[in-house]
Amino acid sequence: AQSVTQPDIHITVSEGASLELRCNYSYGATPYLFWYVQSPGQGLQLLLKYFSGDTLVQGIKGFEAEFKRSQSSFNLRKPSVHWSDAAEYFCAVGTSILTGGGNKLTFGTGTQLKVEL
Amino acid sequence: GAGVSQSPSNKVTEKGKDVELRCDPISGHTALYWYRQSLGQGLEFLIYFQGNSAPDKSGLPSDRFSAERTGGSVSTLTIQRTQQEDSAVYLCASSLAPGGEQFFGPGTRLTVL
Repeated sequence: AQSVTQPDIHITVSEGASLELRCNYSYGATPYLFWYVQSPGQGLQLLLKYFSGDTLVQGIKGFEAEFKRSQSSFNLRKPSVHWSDAAEYFCAVGTSILTGGGNKLTFGTGTQLKVEL
Repeated sequence: GAGVSQSPSNKVTEKGKDVELRCDPISGHTALYWYRQSLGQGLEFLIYFQGNSAPDKSGLPSDRFSAERTGGSVSTLTIQRTQQEDSAVYLCASSLAPGGEQFFGPGTRLTVL
């Protein structure tokens, strides 16, 4: 079964500083990988996804992530954090549709980002 | 256009009562998913619909949980004889096709007293 590990429960960065949120996954086949953001009282919003091809993917709000198969990682990065980025971030792995399960997502436990002004 | 909507936004019920949670997916989206978000368990998959069929119900935690989808659109998640451990935020997501990007609704916060 697939699993996702987000080792950092809380991260605090200063506004304008760079950010990297870690994500490691376990999945037997080619993974479909996602990063979602959840602001207080809001639903989940997709930041970016990796299905195949270029291992560096660009997302919304200036975020990017790099897929590293050898490390089973899909870390999220942003060069300069804004105060509005404070939220909870979830990494997820999706099953291949070939398994018949659609694309059900297995989520990590989330990383809560705090931005200091 | 309208996104995924869920109702009610909040539901407080007493232990042992039945509850129904509703999800209206984005129009034209054939795939629909239910997830649960709780403090103890994080975000968990519950069930997946393709059209009106549910090929994957593997995440339903017990036989007290059931779901249906009608007309390839609206879905209802029913929890019978609610327990306190059912307290969570229930999220619905839909996608245009089975492997496509999932768009999430705002969730229904269920509190079982």
